[in-house]
Amino acid sequence: GAGVSQSPSNKVTEKGKDVELRCDPISGHTALYWYRQSLGQGLEFLIYFQGNSAPDKSGLPSDRFSAERTGGSVSTLTIQRTQQEDSAVYLCASSLDTGYQETQYFGPGTRLLVL
Amino acid sequence: RKEVEQDPGPFNVPEGATVAFNCTYSNSASQSFFWYRQDCRKEPKLLMSVYSSGNEDGRFTAQLNRASQYISLLIRDSKLSDSATYLCVVNTRAGNTPLVFGKGTRLSVIA
Repeated sequence: GAGVSQSPSNKVTEKGKDVELRCDPISGHTALYWYRQSLGQGLEFLIYFQGNSAPDKSGLPSDRFSAERTGGSVSTLTIQRTQQEDSAVYLCASSLDTGYQETQYFGPGTRLLVL
Repeated sequence: RKEVEQDPGPFNVPEGATVAFNCTYSNSASQSFFWYRQDCRKEPKLLMSVYSSGNEDGRFTAQLNRASQYISLLIRDSKLSDSATYLCVVNTRAGNTPLVFGKGTRLSVIA
């Protein structure tokens, strides 16, 4: 079946511009996560959606970052007034809502480069 | 202390070798544990979950030591295709919650 998809696959933008990154989770998955991975670094949690609950935004690095999930499916991560340190691979993952040891499936990521 | 720590490597081993990776985690209340594999410029993919009793999947064996708060991954009879970065991953809360990733250990299997 279809996996997690993300778009665009690559994005180059100028410092100060806003960008929107999109994630389509696996159909039927109620949990959706955004992570980012900077060069040579581990994955860093950004935000988490679970069903209709309020999202866990504890990983967002600044108020320039926001995300929404419409209709319990597609999610958009928005970065306003991008900075060079925002350059990274932004990864989306989804999982079923069935408790412990539940696998998170990752999309291919969006490579963001801020010039 | 970082939440999840791994030796970054790289580990360069010949085909057929046995190689072991260790990982330590800081939160004693951590609930679930995984090894993910990440190929160069690709997304992470689940390699195996790690259960308290230890578990094996073909050439791969994972062990969990809760008392010492470490997780291990053993790869026997290494193949060229095993070359990748191996990520130790911990879920510090119950159920589906954000995972905490180690920075990964890079493995290169050489012919």
